Parts: sequence; C-alpha cells; structure tokens
Amino acid sequence: AQKITQTQPGMFVQEKEAVTLDCTYDTSDQSYGLFWYKQPSSGEMIFLIYQGSYDEQNATEGRYSLNFQKARKSANLVISASQLGDSAMYFCAMREGDDYKLSFGAGTTVTVRA
Amino acid sequence: NAGVTQTPKFQVLKTGQSMTLQCAQDMNHEYMSWYRQDPGMGLRLIHYSVGAGITDQGEVPNGYNVSRSTTEDFPLRLLSAAPSQTSVYFCASSLRGDYTDTQYFGPGTRLTVL
Repeated sequence: AQKITQTQPGMFVQEKEAVTLDCTYDTSDQSYGLFWYKQPSSGEMIFLIYQGSYDEQNATEGRYSLNFQKARKSANLVISASQLGDSAMYFCAMREGDDYKLSFGAGTTVTVRA
Repeated sequence: NAGVTQTPKFQVLKTGQSMTLQCAQDMNHEYMSWYRQDPGMGLRLIHYSVGAGITDQGEVPNGYNVSRSTTEDFPLRLLSAAPSQTSVYFCASSLRGDYTDTQYFGPGTRLTVL
C-alpha cells in the first residue's frame, strides 16, 4: 500500500499568492515524522519543513507552513506569497518509528507565474 | 561546511561495467544512506549505514554494494550495471536514526546505463 499520496501532479500559482500542496499518509505507527522537500530543476533535494506526530502545533518555517490534521492523516504544505524561485517539484515524505527509511510520495510540480 | 557531496555528477556506463559512486559528509553524522529516483517517482532507499562498519539493506538493494569504513564516506558500488539501474542517485546523511531526524541530501549523480 502507498504510504504517502500526493494527488496533484502539477499546479500553477500566480506570483505573490498562496498555494497548498496536498499530502496524505498511511501508517499504524504512533510515532512518525513528516517531511517536505523541494527539488528545483537543478535536481538537488532541499529540506523545507518537519512535523512530528506528537507535535500539537503546526510547523512553520518562513513562508512554509504545514497544515497537520492527524485524524485525517494529512500533512499539507502551504507556501505563502509565492515567488518565481518556488517553481519546483515538491515531495512529501514520512519516517515511521525505528524505520530509517524515508517513504516518498510521487511529488507535485509547482509552476509560479509572473 | 560542504554538507553532503557526491561525485561524479554525471556518468554513462555500458551494460556489465562496474563503478563506484562516491559520497562524503562533513557534518559528523552517524547515519548515511543511498536512494535512487526514477522518473515520476519519489526516492527509494537502496542501502543505509548507522555508523562506521555497519550497513543494512533498504527496499531496492539488488545490484548494489556498500561499505562504511569511516564516518565521513559511504560509497555505493554497482557490481555489473544494467539498464534498469539508469536513475538519479542521492546520498543522504542524518545525525540520529529516529523519526524526528532530518535527512540531508547531496546534489545527486545522474547515471545512464546503455
């Protein structure tokens, strides 16, 4: 079964607007971490934000925030005030309990329009 | 701090050839890992190491070999390259091995097997 599901293959957003990228996950572990990475066209994987399963507050890092809804098993990434440099592929990933592996979704391509 | 470095950036091999992808980190991280990324997919774990002298298999280990003789280096060996190993390979490192710990990625090696 797919551990991480990202249902939006591609999205367009106008510069300076906010965009929400969907991520749902599947785990029976009580302890898990959710991560978002950005992959620009240059190819590197850049860590953006982390949310732990026991964290009560939604994580925020600058213009990135994570809308964590534990009961619904969703961890959506919100990018506020989009910039042209935000155009990239975005991956949601999860680590469960003692498992070292990061399970990745298929990614969402974001294109920011001027 | 260079972070995680990988060489080479690009490589073309013929079927049956062998080669070693290099990975090094200067953050004194205990945990290191190798992932592969195929088109339209997230990353999948090949092998990982929890410290010098200790390695373990990930979800797609066949055709690859690893060893870890120092904390800094974690090379990935392709024993007899096959076209199915055409992919982008990422090395990652993290300080700890638990689900709260962020994995930081190198810039990737794009490998083509003809």
